[in-house]
Amino acid sequence: GENVEQHPSTLSVQEGDSAVIKCTYSDSASNYFPWYKQELGKRPQLIIDIRSNVGEKKDQRIAVTLNKTAKHFSLHITETQPEDSAVYFCAAKDAGGTSYGKLTFGQGTILTVHP
Amino acid sequence: EAQVTQNPRYLITVTGKKLTVTCSQNMNHEYMSWYRQDPGLGLRQIYYSMNVEVTDKGDVPEGYKVSRKEKRNFPLILESPSPNQTSLYFCASSRALSDTQYFGPGTRLTVL
Repeated sequence: GENVEQHPSTLSVQEGDSAVIKCTYSDSASNYFPWYKQELGKRPQLIIDIRSNVGEKKDQRIAVTLNKTAKHFSLHITETQPEDSAVYFCAAKDAGGTSYGKLTFGQGTILTVHP
Repeated sequence: EAQVTQNPRYLITVTGKKLTVTCSQNMNHEYMSWYRQDPGLGLRQIYYSMNVEVTDKGDVPEGYKVSRKEKRNFPLILESPSPNQTSLYFCASSRALSDTQYFGPGTRLTVL
């Protein structure tokens, strides 16, 4: 089955700096890669996603890049703000076979933005 | 208001006492899923359902059961809970397989 590795597990930046979180996946058939943000004590919420037919996607200060050959994808946050502090999870969705429909998450990255 | 609801939000129980955590969505979503969240392990999928009467195992299905008799409801059943099932549980739904998943508020379960 799919295996998703996420790094780093913790990331500390100064306000205004950029933050990058990387994930690798094992199943080359996976075709959907969402990123979720979870604030303390709250439920995860989707912040951006990318499909396997696209190499990059941007939404204001957030961008995601996908390298299918290397089987990795990354979340980029520019001009970080204290309210970006949260746990971020990447995920990969299996595309076929008996695992069709499964969503595998990374272990999470605790991002802290210092004012 | 479009939402995913779970009940109960908090539950303390004892080993072996059967329990059900309910999940309901009012968005007419086809895809529903259950996850457990444990420190350092991220979110792990327990079961998912792509439509009524269609359910499949996720990564950690042992000790859990689900059913999908109606589109809006997807209950999680623990027939004989054990302490290693102490966790934070999330239900989620989405319109389609590769679409935004909306998470419920979570159920914190403690099994003594």
